[in-house]
Amino acid sequence: NAGVTQTPKFQVLKTGQSMTLQCAQDMNHNSMYWYRQDPGMGLRLIYYSASEGTTDKGEVPNGYNVSRLNKREFSLRLESAAPSQTSVYFCASSLTRANQPQHFGDGTRLSIL
Amino acid sequence: GIQVEQSPPDLILQEGANSTLRCNFSDSVNNLQWFHQNPWGQLINLFYIPSGTKQNGRLSATTVATERYSLLYISSSQTTDSGVYFCAVVIKAAGNKLTFGGGTRVLVKP
Repeated sequence: NAGVTQTPKFQVLKTGQSMTLQCAQDMNHNSMYWYRQDPGMGLRLIYYSASEGTTDKGEVPNGYNVSRLNKREFSLRLESAAPSQTSVYFCASSLTRANQPQHFGDGTRLSIL
Repeated sequence: GIQVEQSPPDLILQEGANSTLRCNFSDSVNNLQWFHQNPWGQLINLFYIPSGTKQNGRLSATTVATERYSLLYISSSQTTDSGVYFCAVVIKAAGNKLTFGGGTRVLVKP
């Protein structure tokens, strides 16, 4: 039982390059989330998908797009990477949007030069 | 805005010591989770505890929803307990968004 799987684990980009971070869960969860964690801070919500076919902005959505490909997969895209997007990105899932615990992947460390 | 405040920000313990971490939040919660972020950056679910008390081995947690705080107890600490402990809450008034506190950084010395 893999839980939440993120790929890649590490990536270095140049400013202006594009990149898609992949996330898949095998727990049959309805809701999925993308967070970023900057050094010394807690996580902040970028986008979420309450259910297949829906996506909504979180706290820090600027510069990102998402796609809920199917119930299992939720991808995060940086169209034109900027140094301010250097961060660790976490994907999470939960059975429903509220009143259920969220389960996190191991993160993707992204550096933008 | 929503406030999730954790204290203390840093904690140094001798192996075998007990400690209490606190999380205060500013509104009624639907969901409260405690996480341990280990030195490799992985976020480990410790407790899902919007109210009441739970125990898992040397760790236990209590949430008093009416007074808007939660406590995480670590007993007989071990070096593997080192890392950052995060409290995160879902406040219904904020659209069910999980909001993280700033964390408590714990170092357990042998």
